[in-house]
Amino acid sequence: NAGVTQTPKFQVLKTGQSMTLQCAQDMNHNSMYWYRQDPGMGLRLIYYSASEGTTDKGEVPNGYNVSRLNKREFSLRLESAAPSQTSVYFCASSEVGRGLTLHFGNGTRLTVT
Amino acid sequence: EDQVTQSPEALRLQEGESSSLNCSYTVSGLRGLFWYRQDPGKGPEFLFTLYSAGEEKEKERLKATLTKKESFLHITAPKPEDSATYLCAVISSGSARQLTFGSGTQLTVLP
Repeated sequence: NAGVTQTPKFQVLKTGQSMTLQCAQDMNHNSMYWYRQDPGMGLRLIYYSASEGTTDKGEVPNGYNVSRLNKREFSLRLESAAPSQTSVYFCASSEVGRGLTLHFGNGTRLTVT
Repeated sequence: EDQVTQSPEALRLQEGESSSLNCSYTVSGLRGLFWYRQDPGKGPEFLFTLYSAGEEKEKERLKATLTKKESFLHITAPKPEDSATYLCAVISSGSARQLTFGSGTQLTVLP
């Protein structure tokens, strides 16, 4: 019963490098999300995908791109990493409905030096 | 703009010492208020959803309540395993799928 799986768990990048964070869910959920969590600021939405084939910007999309590869997978790409992108990144999924209950992965801790 | 403020930022309790966490919110048309628990190094885990003022939900030692301006998470006779950060989030009628999260209350229960 894996739920939401994120890879990698940890990553260190130098300024200007690129990388892709991977996320997969096995709950057959339609919607998927990428959040970042910074101390004292709470979780902030970067991008979301309401359903396969669609993506929308969240609160803090600048510097990121996403791809909804299929119903299971939603990736987050940093094209040119900056120190301000040092954070913990969480992927989540949800079913369509009134409650919007999010199921989170265990995060990727990214440090940009 | 939706806003969520949680207090206190940190709370230390003795085992068995009941208390409450507060979540104050400002939204234009509340669609739902959520409580999550987050353990160190893990993703948030869903606890409750509340939809309207006066609603209450319970799970083991936790009880969540909702008014028109705030929500409380009451912890009765806590145990050390209740130690975690508790997050509150809201979604409003104008925010599509965007939850607004508070910054959390870090709860430590001492044996």
